[in-house]
Amino acid sequence: NAGVMQNPRHLVRRRGQEARLRCSPMKGHSHVYWYRQLPEEGLKFMVYLQKENIIDESGMPKERFSAEFPKEGPSILRIQQVVRGDSAAYFCASSSGTPGVQPQHFGDGTRLSIL
Amino acid sequence: DQQVKQNSPSLSVQEGRISILNCDYTNSMFDYFLWYKKYPAEGPTFLISISSIKDKNEDGRFTVFLNKSAKHLSLHIVPSQPGDSAVYFCAARDTGNQFYFGTGTSLTVIP
Repeated sequence: NAGVMQNPRHLVRRRGQEARLRCSPMKGHSHVYWYRQLPEEGLKFMVYLQKENIIDESGMPKERFSAEFPKEGPSILRIQQVVRGDSAAYFCASSSGTPGVQPQHFGDGTRLSIL
Repeated sequence: DQQVKQNSPSLSVQEGRISILNCDYTNSMFDYFLWYKKYPAEGPTFLISISSIKDKNEDGRFTVFLNKSAKHLSLHIVPSQPGDSAVYFCAARDTGNQFYFGTGTSLTVIP
């Protein structure tokens, strides 16, 4: 009965490289959210996906960032040409239905460090 | 533009006493409010939620109060225990299913 699994837990990249963050939702969950937390700040919404569909990506920067949740496999948050300001903790959350009514379950996050 | 605010970055409470964590919001269209607890190096864990049509929800030692006219909610923990020491985030959902989080309050329960 695994919870939300995120990997890697820590990721180090040099400026200009690509970062790929993976999130496997809880079994039976088809709703996935990605959040970013900068130091001393709260979680900031990035994107909300359901299987094969992006529902709301209004919190995600228009350039360099993309997310997907394919029919098979984990959800992926991809950051291209990373910059120092991308250093943060990235959390994924999943729910079985409409979040709020169905609480989101969070993974332990991926800590991205940009050298 | 912080739509959900937690103005107290930290709070210390004696074990056995009541902990009261506060949260203010600006968007009157929020329809659901949640509290999460977070330990270092872990993801947030859901604690308790409340719909905007209610003013109180209780679950064991945790009670959430919602004052819509003041756009204010609070989490009461009683009695407080050392294991409650963590960072607490309040969150609100808008009608578009987007969630907004506060910046968190670090609670320390002193044995």
